[in-house]
Amino acid sequence: GAGVSQSPRYKVAKRGQDVALRCDPISGHVSLFWYQQALGQGPEFLTYFQNEAQLDKSGLPSDRFFAERPEGSVSTLKIQRTQQEDSAVYLCASSRQGALSGQYFGPGTRLTVT
Amino acid sequence: AQSVAQPEDQVNVAEGNPLTVKCTYSVSGNPYLFWYVQYPNRGLQFLLKYITGDNLVKGSYGFEAEFNKSQTSFHLKKPSALVSDSALYFCAVRDRGDSSYKLIFGSGTRLLVRP
Repeated sequence: GAGVSQSPRYKVAKRGQDVALRCDPISGHVSLFWYQQALGQGPEFLTYFQNEAQLDKSGLPSDRFFAERPEGSVSTLKIQRTQQEDSAVYLCASSRQGALSGQYFGPGTRLTVT
Repeated sequence: AQSVAQPEDQVNVAEGNPLTVKCTYSVSGNPYLFWYVQYPNRGLQFLLKYITGDNLVKGSYGFEAEFNKSQTSFHLKKPSALVSDSALYFCAVRDRGDSSYKLIFGSGTRLLVRP
C-alpha cells in the first residue's frame, strides 16, 4: 500500500495478557518509530529502528515492552503482562534515511486493557 | 531536555477568519520543527516543517508557520479558516544533534471552526 499500515486497529486485552502489535512501513523506508499516545496527550517516543537495528529504545516504559524489526521491514511491538496503564494508542511511523526526512504515521492501534 | 508547549487546549474561530495555533519549544541545539494534524480515528498527517532557511514555511491545505528563534516559537497560521480544518493539531520538535531522529510532541490543540 501507499501508506503505513498497522494491525490490529483495536485490541482489547485482559490485564496480564501479552499483546503483539504490527507495523508495515512504507516500502523502502529505512527508519521506523513507535510512539505511545495516551488519551488527551501528544504522542510520546518509544523506540527507533534503522533497518533491523534498534538504535534507540530509551522511551520504552518498562522491560515489559519489547520491539523488533528482524528483516528491516515489518516491525512488532510486544507488551508482556499488560497493565491498565498500558491502555493507549500505539502509533508507528516510517521515514526515508536522512535527517531531513519527514515521518509518515500509520492509523495506530488502540489498546484497551481491562 | 527537549520539550514543546502548546498553551491552548482549544482554539475557536469563525469560518473565513484567520487562525493561529501557538507553539513554543525548547531544545539544547538547533531545532527541526513540524506541525501535524490528527482527524478522529486517523493517524497523524504531516502539514509542514521548518528545517532551515526562510522563517516562513508554507505547507499543505493553505497552512503556514513562522519560525521565530528569539521567541523559540513556531506558530501555525492560516489566513482564512474552513470548517473542515476542525481537528487536533500537534507541534513537534527534533534536536538536530539527536541521532535517533525522534520527535518530541506537544500536548495538542483542538481547533474548532464554526460555520
